[in-house]
Amino acid sequence: DIQMTQSPSSLSASVRDRITITCRSSQSIGSYVNWYQQRPGNAPRLLIHTANILQSGVPSRFSGDGFDRDFTLTISSLQPEDFATYFCQQSYSYHYTFGQGTKVEIK
Amino acid sequence: DVQLVQSGAEMKKPGESLKISCKGFGYRFTRFSIAWVRQKPGKSLEWMGTISPGDSNIKYRPSFEGQVTLSVDKSINSAHLQWSSLKASDTAVYYCARLDESDGSYNWFDIWGQGTLVTVSS
Repeated sequence: DIQMTQSPSSLSASVRDRITITCRSSQSIGSYVNWYQQRPGNAPRLLIHTANILQSGVPSRFSGDGFDRDFTLTISSLQPEDFATYFCQQSYSYHYTFGQGTKVEIK
Repeated sequence: DVQLVQSGAEMKKPGESLKISCKGFGYRFTRFSIAWVRQKPGKSLEWMGTISPGDSNIKYRPSFEGQVTLSVDKSINSAHLQWSSLKASDTAVYYCARLDESDGSYNWFDIWGQGTLVTVSS
């Protein structure tokens, strides 16, 4: 299986901060990365697919970047509703795998 | 509205059987594969397998093959996940998710069910 390693595992930030979450794959996967947000008690929600394509309805403060093995999710100005856990996922192999998650908490 | 609606929470004893469901609304059900994803308490997401409602083609994660069964009933736009003999270690939230494969070889889970909590305890 392709391993997806996220960093940091958690971070504290304030409203209007800019934050970046990193995801590294164990092998080259081109642009086959998706990002999801999960608020407590809720199902995951797709934010970004194919490394940098914003899903319809997702605010433009979310952006994705990267290729090959290194990927990032950036939130340009944190809003109160953005405090959640974020997961990367690879779709290069149909044995889909997710990162361990990054919990974004209020400072 | 496009949505997946899952069956309710279940509490079972070890050794019992269980079948949970995921019903699609607002889209042509046979056009998109359905994946099942497990989330144990406080943990990440784990893909279990994917089923194509159109032809019932199934791909299992090796660690789940033989432990669970995926199926579909096209007549009621539903996918199912079942166990023949539950273990305490099956305690988790189970999500179904729609697999969007509209962009060539790229794909992603664009619609998620609300999750079904399965608790297995004696």
